[in-house]
Amino acid sequence: AQSVTQLDSQVPVFEEAPVELRCNYSSSVSVYLFWYVQYPNQGLQLLLKYLSGSTLVKGINGFEAEFNKSQTSFHLRKPSVHISDTAEYFCAVSPQSYSSASKIIFGSGTRLSIRP
Amino acid sequence: DAGVIQSPRHEVTEMGQEVTLRCKPISGHNSLFWYRQTMMRGLELLIYFNNNVPIDDSGMPEDRFSAKMPNASFSTLKIQPSEPRDSAVYFCASSLDSQGAETQYFGPGTRLLVL
Repeated sequence: AQSVTQLDSQVPVFEEAPVELRCNYSSSVSVYLFWYVQYPNQGLQLLLKYLSGSTLVKGINGFEAEFNKSQTSFHLRKPSVHISDTAEYFCAVSPQSYSSASKIIFGSGTRLSIRP
Repeated sequence: DAGVIQSPRHEVTEMGQEVTLRCKPISGHNSLFWYRQTMMRGLELLIYFNNNVPIDDSGMPEDRFSAKMPNASFSTLKIQPSEPRDSAVYFCASSLDSQGAETQYFGPGTRLLVL
């Protein structure tokens, strides 16, 4: 089975400051890793995902994440945040599957609030 | 593409009434997921379908909840009878299978309030 832990439920940051949202996972099998973002009153949308290859993954809106297999982490970073980045961010894992049907396990979410 | 379409967007009903939520996935996608989101419990997977067949319904809270997918372009989630604790935002998502690597596309959600 897989599990995802997002260590911070809320992260307040000043505008133009850097931010890191932490995510750790556990799994007995190889996994794919995802970050989704949920803006107020909207559904989730994909920010980025790690499938294979380079451990540094770049996503939309200037976000990037680094996969660290030894620490089972997939932290999300942005060097300079904007007011429009105010949202809830979800880390997720999905087992690499040889079958066609699979489900994704979401973390509990981190609410990022940007202060002007 | 119009994305995942959910209806209604808002629903207010009284305890004991039947509620039906509807979802139209993105054309060509073969997996469909129903989630529930609340402040207390976060995002919960209720059930998911693959090629119109229910694969895992272990997240369905109890017998009052049922879901169907009669064809590739339509799914319903029904609550009968509804209770105040069912108040939540219900999301539908769809994806195209890629052995776990697929992106899920979420609809805008249905905000349900049971009085």
